[in-house]
Amino acid sequence: AQKITQTQPGMFVQEKEAVTLDCTYDTSDPSYGLFWYKQPSSGEMIFLIYQGSYDQQNATEGRYSLNFQKARKSANLVISASQLGDSAMYFCAMREGTDSWGKFQFGAGTQVVVTP
Amino acid sequence: AAGVIQSPRHLIKEKRETATLKCYPIPRHDTVYWYQQGPGQDPQFLISFYEKMQSDKGSIPDRFSAQQFSDYHSELNMSSLELGDSALYFCASSLVAGRGRNTEAFFGQGTRLTVV
Repeated sequence: AQKITQTQPGMFVQEKEAVTLDCTYDTSDPSYGLFWYKQPSSGEMIFLIYQGSYDQQNATEGRYSLNFQKARKSANLVISASQLGDSAMYFCAMREGTDSWGKFQFGAGTQVVVTP
Repeated sequence: AAGVIQSPRHLIKEKRETATLKCYPIPRHDTVYWYQQGPGQDPQFLISFYEKMQSDKGSIPDRFSAQQFSDYHSELNMSSLELGDSALYFCASSLVAGRGRNTEAFFGQGTRLTVV
């Protein structure tokens, strides 16, 4: 069963606007971590932001923030003030369990295209 | 800051040949993961190591093997290559934190393997 669901295969956003990328997850483990990665066309996987299941506050990293709604099992990524360089594939991922070496499970990704 | 280093960045092999991919994790990281990403797909987990021992195994073909060495670098060995093995292969590293706490992990830039 799919553990990570990203329902938006692709989206366009205008430069300087904010964009929200949806991510829902499925787990019965109380301890888990949620991650967002950016993959530009060059292929590298760039870490953006992390949210732990026990974290009380929503994670923020510069222009990236994570809207963590634990009861809904959602971890949406918000990119504020989009830039042309934000055009990329964005993956939501989860690691489960108290064993912090658990594998990552990825969603299908959302392709973001930022237009001038 | 030091990142995860993968070599080579690009590799072209013929069918039935062998390939060895190398991964050098971030210093002091003790966990390594290998992922395979086919064209237009999300990364699929292959195998992981914690403290030089295999910690988890995913959809890794029997033709593939991997190990983590005493200096924590890891190698993915692929034999009898098939056209379908053409993909981007990522290595990620992480540091085991305390029990009940997930940690961020970082990916290398990937090795793009093309089997012809």
